Amino acid sequence: EPEVTQTPSHQVTQMGQEVILRCVPISNHLYFYWYRQILGQKVEFLVSFYNNEISEKSEIFDDQFSVERPDGSNFTLKIRSTKLEDSAMYFCASRKSWQGGLNTEAFFGQGTRLTVV
Amino acid sequence: EDKVVQSPLSLVVHEGDTVTLNCSYEVTNFRSLLWYKQEKKAPTFLFMLTSSGIEKKSGRLSSILDKKELFSILNITATQTGDSAVYLCAAYNAGGTSYGKLTFGQGTILTVHP
Repeated sequence: EPEVTQTPSHQVTQMGQEVILRCVPISNHLYFYWYRQILGQKVEFLVSFYNNEISEKSEIFDDQFSVERPDGSNFTLKIRSTKLEDSAMYFCASRKSWQGGLNTEAFFGQGTRLTVV
Repeated sequence: EDKVVQSPLSLVVHEGDTVTLNCSYEVTNFRSLLWYKQEKKAPTFLFMLTSSGIEKKSGRLSSILDKKELFSILNITATQTGDSAVYLCAAYNAGGTSYGKLTFGQGTILTVHP
């Protein structure tokens, strides 16, 4: 069964360093998302990406964050200068196009646990 | 601000019990309500509910949506230890500039003892 793949599974970085989290969405999906979950808290929306551009972003997704789809398969989240409070599990998700005007479900990757020290 | 609230926050039962998990939502441009199961890492999809009053079933799990009262329930009958997980409810927001953003509840931690 197709799945969303994320690498690495765990990344430890020093405060102020740049990190890139990588995702390979399901191949025929068109909408891509990043969410994060701080330990013990809700899963929070960061950004959605469609047609090679950001379609929506949350207040969390400030200038330190960026996303890119550098080729036909990868979808990356870059944090330019990490802060302690960026420590969280980051989930990538993807879904197909709307079908017959109906929603299609989002599928999530296994996540990257980012620890900023 | 969009809001999804789940109750209870945690639940401890014994194998064979039936549980009901609740989810209420206030979301602009609401499209659908989704349930996910989160065991160790990734939320795995259970149900998506778009129409009110139509029950969806998968084995021992079932779910229904009430769009008038803005809530959904997830039922698990004859629980097993493998049902122990965090159950997440999320509302799809789509329309205007939104492209299917999910707003999540805080989750219900279900523990099933043998």
